[in-house]
Amino acid sequence: QQPVQSPQAVILREGEDAVINCSSSKALYSVHWYRQKHGEAPVFLMILLKGGEQKGHEKISASFNEKKQQSSLYLTASQLSYSGTYFCGTEEGDSSNTGKLIFGQGTTLQVKP
Amino acid sequence: NAGVTQTPKFRVLKTGQSMTLLCAQDMNHEYMYWYRQDPGMGLRLIHYSVGEGTTAKGEVPDGYNVSRLKKQNFLLGLESAAPSQTSVYFCASSQTGRNYGYTFGSGTRLTVV
Repeated sequence: QQPVQSPQAVILREGEDAVINCSSSKALYSVHWYRQKHGEAPVFLMILLKGGEQKGHEKISASFNEKKQQSSLYLTASQLSYSGTYFCGTEEGDSSNTGKLIFGQGTTLQVKP
Repeated sequence: NAGVTQTPKFRVLKTGQSMTLLCAQDMNHEYMYWYRQDPGMGLRLIHYSVGEGTTAKGEVPDGYNVSRLKKQNFLLGLESAAPSQTSVYFCASSQTGRNYGYTFGSGTRLTVV
């Protein structure tokens, strides 16, 4: 079942922070985050594995609450280059090591000067 | 250092025609996936493969077939194209499925008229 992302869209000024949420109704093994710029392929940002870990990538970090089947992506001090559509991809706990991901519908982030 | 290469990049088909989309990766990845992307619906899994000679159905397999005769190639076929198959198709590969992110190809934009 497709995870639900919120918000659907967000507009920021440079330097502002944003949080994107991803929620699933299924027990999860992992959550992936990807960014896609218009007309391009999605690009892998990070993976969070079962265990409730938090990871960071420059000014972009994420958390994973395994019990609630929720993940959040944190973008701090946003830059123009952060603009794009962000997708979470969830791997269910019973995926039998197929690595197959179910993606959310995406959150469009626009950073203005 | 090509990564994942998709051909063709664009194609227009008439209803009922057939075609094959090619995905080639040079990273020695075991796992490969085909997704379609439609506005507002994120990425939906069509078929996937966990190794040479293996294929399995994803969320939306109807109207598509796949083959993985060589580890580096994953082919997606449309036997009789329909307007509902108008979409952007992305191929992705992963080192071993779990615990690794996807590397996506640049996509194929297919229009069926």
